[in-house]
Amino acid sequence: GIQVEQSPPDLILQEGANSTLRCNFSDSVNNLQWFHQNPWGQLINLFYIPSGTKQNGRLSATTVATERYSLLYISSSQTTDSGVYFCAVERRNFGNEKLTFGTGTRLTIIP
Amino acid sequence: KAGVTQTPRYLIKTRGQQVTLSCSPISGHRSVSWYQQTPGQGLQFLFEYFSETQRNKGNFPGRFSGRQFSNSRSEMNVSTLELGDSALYLCASSPWAGSQETQYFGPGTRLLVL
Repeated sequence: GIQVEQSPPDLILQEGANSTLRCNFSDSVNNLQWFHQNPWGQLINLFYIPSGTKQNGRLSATTVATERYSLLYISSSQTTDSGVYFCAVERRNFGNEKLTFGTGTRLTIIP
Repeated sequence: KAGVTQTPRYLIKTRGQQVTLSCSPISGHRSVSWYQQTPGQGLQFLFEYFSETQRNKGNFPGRFSGRQFSNSRSEMNVSTLELGDSALYLCASSPWAGSQETQYFGPGTRLLVL
């Protein structure tokens, strides 16, 4: 199956700093989503981005499908951005599609 | 629209018991998927249901089963619980099945097996 690697595994930043999280995947995909898992465990959708660039406020994401990676940018970090960020991918496989998650990046924003 | 809801939110069971978890998808969504999250294995796909049919299944033993009702609500069942089944169980819904659908997750059910 598809392998998904995220880096860095942990990131500690001061409030106001910018960050870049990376997701590498081992095969072509039809679906790529970025999630933020809050301290209570809920996965919050950030982006559906199998290719291209999207922005939503302080967050933006870019996926370069031909090179099999995606980047999540967080600007002007706030303490509420703390949590674990997951990248998940899915490949069209004639009824066998499933989201495969990376191991996540744990982001801690210090006031 | 209301989001995905899961019940119960927390559950404590003992080894050998069975458990049933429930998931109500976003109104109008017909696909429901289940995932298990543990510290050691991360987030792993359990199964997907669409139109009351299991469409896809992950690499879990037969003790893990599920079903979907005509209103798209889904239940998953784990029989003969083991300590290793302690996990956060997440349910996700999407309008249709397939790889081009955004999946929306519920808050999860935390299961502790003693």
